[in-house]
Amino acid sequence: DAGVIQSPRHEVTEMGQEVTLRCKPISGHDYLFWYRQTMMRGLELLIYFNNNVPIDDSGMPEDRFSAKMPNASFSTLKIQPSEPRDSAVYFCASSLRGSFNQPQHFGDGTRLSIL
Amino acid sequence: QKEVEQDPGPLSVPEGAIVSLNCTYSNSAFQYFMWYRQYSRKGPELLMYTYSSGNKEDGRFTAQVDKSSKYISLFIRDSQPSDSATYLCAILMDSSYKLIFGSGTRLLVRP
Repeated sequence: DAGVIQSPRHEVTEMGQEVTLRCKPISGHDYLFWYRQTMMRGLELLIYFNNNVPIDDSGMPEDRFSAKMPNASFSTLKIQPSEPRDSAVYFCASSLRGSFNQPQHFGDGTRLSIL
Repeated sequence: QKEVEQDPGPLSVPEGAIVSLNCTYSNSAFQYFMWYRQYSRKGPELLMYTYSSGNKEDGRFTAQVDKSSKYISLFIRDSQPSDSATYLCAILMDSSYKLIFGSGTRLLVRP
């Protein structure tokens, strides 16, 4: 069974450009999470969805960040305009029911560099 | 104060050693504790989870929670080079399904 699939794996772009990160969760999972990982701040939850509905976006750093989940098999995280401090590894994860004994399955991340 | 604190390491041990990885947390109401393992350039994967206090064993791995001191530990027996990775403790906020991660401890097991 395929795991969580993220694209692109690497993205290098210039400051001010729009960046779109994509995620395909595991089929049947009803929770989807977007995280950001940096050396300074570690792994931080940005937003999560349940049944395609955003539940908690309190971790989204600024209005420049937005996330959507138009259907159960696809989600996007968009940064517009991008800034150098947005450089990080962005992970998408999905889980079934979201409880503690249902692990969050992570993708391999998108490594984003903003020049 | 961070909700979850973890020594970043790196921790370097010889093959076969017993490894102890630790985290402290601030909120005594937390009840669900997890350990994730992250290999280089990969996403984290769940290693073990525990509820409330006590120990849980799975093969060479033992997770321990001491709620009185707000301390969680992961022990690895007979460590192998393949255990070399970053280990992240995590706490699930049960009211919201949000995971709060420690900063991770990088472990290197030398052959």
